[in-house]
Amino acid sequence: DAGVIQSPRHEVTEMGQEVTLRCKPISGHNSLFWYRQTMMRGLELLIYFNNNVPIDDSGMPEDRFSAKMPNASFSTLKIQPSEPRDSAVYFCASSLEGTGIGNTIYFGEGSWLTVV
Amino acid sequence: SQKIEQNSEALNIQEGKTATLTCNYTNYSPAYLQWYRQDPGRGPVFLLLIRENEKEKRKERLKVTFDTTLKQSLFHITASQPADSATYLCALALYNQGGKLIFGQGTELSVKP
Repeated sequence: DAGVIQSPRHEVTEMGQEVTLRCKPISGHNSLFWYRQTMMRGLELLIYFNNNVPIDDSGMPEDRFSAKMPNASFSTLKIQPSEPRDSAVYFCASSLEGTGIGNTIYFGEGSWLTVV
Repeated sequence: SQKIEQNSEALNIQEGKTATLTCNYTNYSPAYLQWYRQDPGRGPVFLLLIRENEKEKRKERLKVTFDTTLKQSLFHITASQPADSATYLCALALYNQGGKLIFGQGTELSVKP
């Protein structure tokens, strides 16, 4: 299994530009999560989807952030316009919900975003 | 307010000793708790899960305890090795939250040879 695949791995962009991060979850997983990690705030859940439907987006910091999951094998996290304080590592993760044995979450390697 | 607290200071131990990491939480009623390992530049990797009705779970050199009265989990690595050096994160899963996990800040462990 290829695991959770994220792209790009690294992105440096100028303030005000649009940033799109992409994620391919593990095949067969029906829950997808976007997390953000910074030194100050640790790993924060931004949004999660279940069966392609957004369930909880309470962690999305503001309207500049949006996420979509058009099908079971693809999701995007978009920041428009980007700001320097958005610089962080963005992780996508997936899990197989409803197994009855606990939801182990499998993380991608992250997208390292720097906004200058 | 709801909080998950892990040792903020790095833990430095000698190879062969047992490392013990702490995860405390307040104002949560977790269904279960998980521990993850994160290496620099990588995503977190699942290690162990323990349910609210379990006291202890073991996997090879790893042991996790869960005390819902104290609202605390302890994570032990016995016979530690330099390869165990990493950041360890605890995460709570809440009832009826669809698999949503809430993570602590993590504790950095350094095992010296």
